[in-house]
Parts: sequence; structure tokens; C-alpha cells
Amino acid sequence: DTGVSQNPRHKITKRGQNVTFRCDPISEHNRLYWYRQTLGQGPEFLTYFQNEAQLEKSRLLSDRFSAERPKGSFSTLEIQRTEQGDSAMYLCASSLEVSGNTIYFGEGSWLTVV
Amino acid sequence: DAKTTQPPSMDCAEGRAANLPCNHSTISGNEYVYWYRQIHSQGPQYIIHGLKNNETNEMASLIITEDRKSSTLILPHATLRDTAVYYCIVGPSNTGNQFYFGTGTSLTVIP
Repeated sequence: DTGVSQNPRHKITKRGQNVTFRCDPISEHNRLYWYRQTLGQGPEFLTYFQNEAQLEKSRLLSDRFSAERPKGSFSTLEIQRTEQGDSAMYLCASSLEVSGNTIYFGEGSWLTVV
Repeated sequence: DAKTTQPPSMDCAEGRAANLPCNHSTISGNEYVYWYRQIHSQGPQYIIHGLKNNETNEMASLIITEDRKSSTLILPHATLRDTAVYYCIVGPSNTGNQFYFGTGTSLTVIP
């Protein structure tokens, strides 16, 4: 399968712990996006990379959140000192830098903070 | 913030065409209209997109008004598997900015 891959698919953690999610984009896609989605809401943009450069960050991305894409391929999203309000599905997407680019989403990583 | 407005829910009889409307009155000249759908607990699935002209693929048709302020996604023969939340979003052509999702339309296909 050559789609966007996310791991782990599900994570349960205790409040205050750190968690990290990984995203492997579609091969050769140079743009990578992270979104967060809570129940009943549409996906909310968090951040976006073009190659290894993080070009945009939403104000939703508090200082407890950090995303990296060190070699312009896979990306990690780390949440430090998790809070119950961080419980959500974290979606990764990727795209090519072309006119009318289409972004393709992974299946998401569910986080439950207890 | 979402730049689109969609009805929160719609029903459609199985086998009939489902027509999902979307308003995007503030769309810019170089922004495309994209449609995605999301089945419970899965990531959004790309359906179709267009700039000015109507588009058709194996999944659906997209009709964009001449002034580009609204569009309609058409599923020609809805099946039970088309029950999902459908999102209409507008996005830049190649600037790479984020796509803003609203709350979408929850389509229920009725047997």
C-alpha cells in the first residue's frame, strides 16, 4: 500500500505523559500536514511542512506540541504533558507541490488521555 | 476558519442521486473547490476537485456555478456505503497553505 501511513493507530496514555505519533507520507510527496479532529467536528489544521521546513503553525499548536520532519520524509508529532483535552484523532496528510494539489489523508491516530 | 457553508445533514434513497450543496461565496480566483468524505473513525477520503469547470470521475460529479460562489457534489446512484460526512473545502492552487474544514454534511443513504 502506498498511501499515508500513521502509527500507532490507537494510544491510551495517562495525563501528564508524553506521546509521539509518526506519519509516513506518500512517496515523493514534499508537503505534509497534521490535523486534529474531535468528535462531531471537522479536521482542524495544526501544522504544515514543505520538505523539512515547517512553514505554518496553527495557534491550536500549543507549546506542548512539537512536530518535526527531519529529512523531509516521515514526520513525528509529539505531545508533552498530555491533558484530557488532547484526546482526539490526529490526522496526517501529504501532497505534491503542483497546481490544484490534492492532499491525501492517512487513517489517523486516536489518542485517549485518561 | 472554514470558508464554506454546508447543510448539516441530508437523506437520500438508495439508488437515487445525492446532490450535496456547498456555498463558498468568498472563494478567491485561484482557489479550488475540493470534496472529501469521511466514514466513521476513518481518515477523510478524497472525492473530486475543480477550479471553474464541471468535473466528473468514477466516484462523483462536481458542478461549480459560473460565479464560483457555490457548487454541488453529485453521487449519481447512492449506495448504503456512501453514508458518510461530506466536506466541501476551498484551497489554494499551489501555495501549500492549509485547508480549512467545516463540520460538513452528514449524508444518510436510506434503503
